[in-house]
Amino acid sequence: DTVLTQSPALAVSPGERVTISCRTRESVNTLMHWYQQKPGQQPKLLVYKTSNLASGVPARFSGSGSGTDFTFTIDPVETDDIATYSCHQSGNSDTFGAGTKLELK
Amino acid sequence: EVQLVESGGGLVQPGRSMKLSCAASGFTFSSFYMAWVRQAPTKGLEWVASISTGGGVTYYRDSVKGRFTISRDNEKNTLYLQMDSLRSEDTATYYCARRYNYFDHWGQGVMVTVSS
Repeated sequence: DTVLTQSPALAVSPGERVTISCRTRESVNTLMHWYQQKPGQQPKLLVYKTSNLASGVPARFSGSGSGTDFTFTIDPVETDDIATYSCHQSGNSDTFGAGTKLELK
Repeated sequence: EVQLVESGGGLVQPGRSMKLSCAASGFTFSSFYMAWVRQAPTKGLEWVASISTGGGVTYYRDSVKGRFTISRDNEKNTLYLQMDSLRSEDTATYYCARRYNYFDHWGQGVMVTVSS
């Protein structure tokens, strides 16, 4: 299985820029996707194929990267963005990162 | 509006079976790959199985191969997951999801607890 390593929990203040990383050992080309999950809710697709925003997702969310290193950015962070963010690769079967929990400072 | 509604979860003893269903609406079900993704309590997401549009091709994670069977009924717009020989480590919330290369729509999830 392709293991995805995500940055640990992050503490942020509203208005700040936050970056979450996701790394793999083997290339997944551009087949990296990002989801937001709030407690008690199902995941929500935010970014697909590295940098494409899903329908209705605000432009303050973005994604970048290629191969083995990928980044998800929120700029600026809003209080409603407090959630867990998970990366998902579909280049080699399907695997998810462990999730990065965004918390308020 | 795309809707995916899971049902069939609950408490089951180790070694027993359980079948989950996912009723789809708001899109042409037969045109999309579908999948099951699970999440154990306090853990991350874990892909379980996927199925092609016609149901003829299926994929499974290693830990469920031979125990779980994904299927679909395109006439009824319903996805299924038959789970046999359940283990405690199968305890999780199970989500039905529509699949491209990514999962663009998810159901609300159904809890499966495997315990004696």
